[in-house]
Amino acid sequence: NAGVMQNPRHLVRRRGQEARLRCSPMKGHSHVYWYRQLPEEGLKFMVYLQKENIIDESGMPKERFSAEFPKEGPSILRIQQVVRGDSAAYFCASSPFGTGGLAEQYFGPGTRLTVT
Amino acid sequence: GNSVTQMEGPVTLSEEAFLTINCTYTATGYPSLFWYVQYPGEGLQLLLKATKADDKGSNKGFEATYRKETTSFHLEKGSVQVSDSAVYFCALKVVAGGTSYGKLTFGQGTILTVHP
Repeated sequence: NAGVMQNPRHLVRRRGQEARLRCSPMKGHSHVYWYRQLPEEGLKFMVYLQKENIIDESGMPKERFSAEFPKEGPSILRIQQVVRGDSAAYFCASSPFGTGGLAEQYFGPGTRLTVT
Repeated sequence: GNSVTQMEGPVTLSEEAFLTINCTYTATGYPSLFWYVQYPGEGLQLLLKATKADDKGSNKGFEATYRKETTSFHLEKGSVQVSDSAVYFCALKVVAGGTSYGKLTFGQGTILTVHP
């Protein structure tokens, strides 16, 4: 059973461009969490999604950031008009359907975004 | 709100030395507590967990005891190896209450380097 997949692993964008980060959860998992790790800091929760629904986006910046998890395909974290402060490692984690917050989260390897 | 505080790093030890990484927390509600490990270039892996007071989580020689009276979950290992070199994150999750959705709150991480 393949683990959580994220791509790209490294992404370089110029200021003002868009960044799209993809997360394919483990097989059978329909819950996805996104976390951001800024330099020298721990991971901070951004958003929690189930298939076709955003459940909790309390950690998402109000502007430029959006997330989706369609019925088919990976979850996408989209950052519009990137700025240098968006440079960070973005991790997604997946957990199984039906067990909600009780279930263990399995983390992907992360996407390291660098904004030049 | 919820927060996790870890001891400042980095920590450098010789092989076979004793390891302690301190972790304290504040939480609204009754948290489950976790230690995650991140090896270079990889995502986070769950190392151990405890879900109620006085529980001891253990794995790969690492241990941590859930101390409600001191709101602590310190990580210990009796004899570290070079292969233990990694970043260690303490984290908590509050499931009860309806709005936490199982999101994890992380400490800032502690870099451990073990020399031969």
